[in-house]
Amino acid sequence: EVQLVESGGGLVQPGGSLRLSCAASGFTFSNYAMSWVRQAPGKGLEWVSIISGSGGNTYYADSVKGRFTISRDNSKNTLYLQMKSLRAEDTAVYYCAKSTGSISCCNWFDPWGQGSLVTVSS
Amino acid sequence: DIQMTQSPSSLSASVGDRVTITCRASQSISNYLNWYQQKPGKAPKLLIYAASSLQSGVPSRFSGSGSGTDFTLTISSLQPEDSATYYCQQSYTTPWTFGQGTKVEIK
Repeated sequence: EVQLVESGGGLVQPGGSLRLSCAASGFTFSNYAMSWVRQAPGKGLEWVSIISGSGGNTYYADSVKGRFTISRDNSKNTLYLQMKSLRAEDTAVYYCAKSTGSISCCNWFDPWGQGSLVTVSS
Repeated sequence: DIQMTQSPSSLSASVGDRVTITCRASQSISNYLNWYQQKPGKAPKLLIYAASSLQSGVPSRFSGSGSGTDFTLTISSLQPEDSATYYCQQSYTTPWTFGQGTKVEIK
C-alpha cells in the first residue's frame, strides 16, 4: 500500500523558517515525481512545487519561488520542503502527493499524505 | 496562468439524484483535467484523471467528460457518502491550478 506521511509542521514567526518532510513507502520512490500542495484554512487547493524522480528538475508556484526549496533523498524515500521568509499568507495545511506523469505536463496527484499544518503568526 | 472556474460553488441534492459539476479552463488544456474529492478534515482523493479515466477503486457512479476548455464531473446516483467538496485541476502546464471547489450537500 502506498503511504505518504508528512511531518515538521508547527507554529513559526513571520520571517522564520521551517522544513517539512514526507516519508514515502509502498512504491519505488525514485521512479516518481513528487509534489507539495497547500490549503489555507477554509480555502481551496494551491499547488506549491514539484520535483522529478531524480531530483534534477523542479518547478515552483510564483507565490513561493525564491523562498521555498523542494528536495528529495531517494536513499531515505523522503521528500522535503524547506520554507524560508515565511509570511502569514503561507499559513496552510501542506500535503505531499505522488505525481504520476511527466514533471512538466499531464500528471495527477495520487495519493496524498494526511497533511501537516504550518501556522505563521507572531 | 490557466484559470479554472467551477460551477456551481455549492449544491444540495437528494440521494439518488444525478449531479453534474462543470469546470471551465481559461484556455484549451486538451484532456489534461483531473477531479478530486475532499471530505472535511481529510486529504483530497483522486477520482478522475485525464478528463474521463476513472481511478482504480472509485465507484462507477462517478464519470468525467470533456476536452479543450469545458469539462464535467457527473455523479449518476448521489449517495450519502458523496457529501464532499470536489475540485478540478489542470495538468496541461505549470503552474498546476485548481478550481475553487464545489461543495455537494445531501438534502
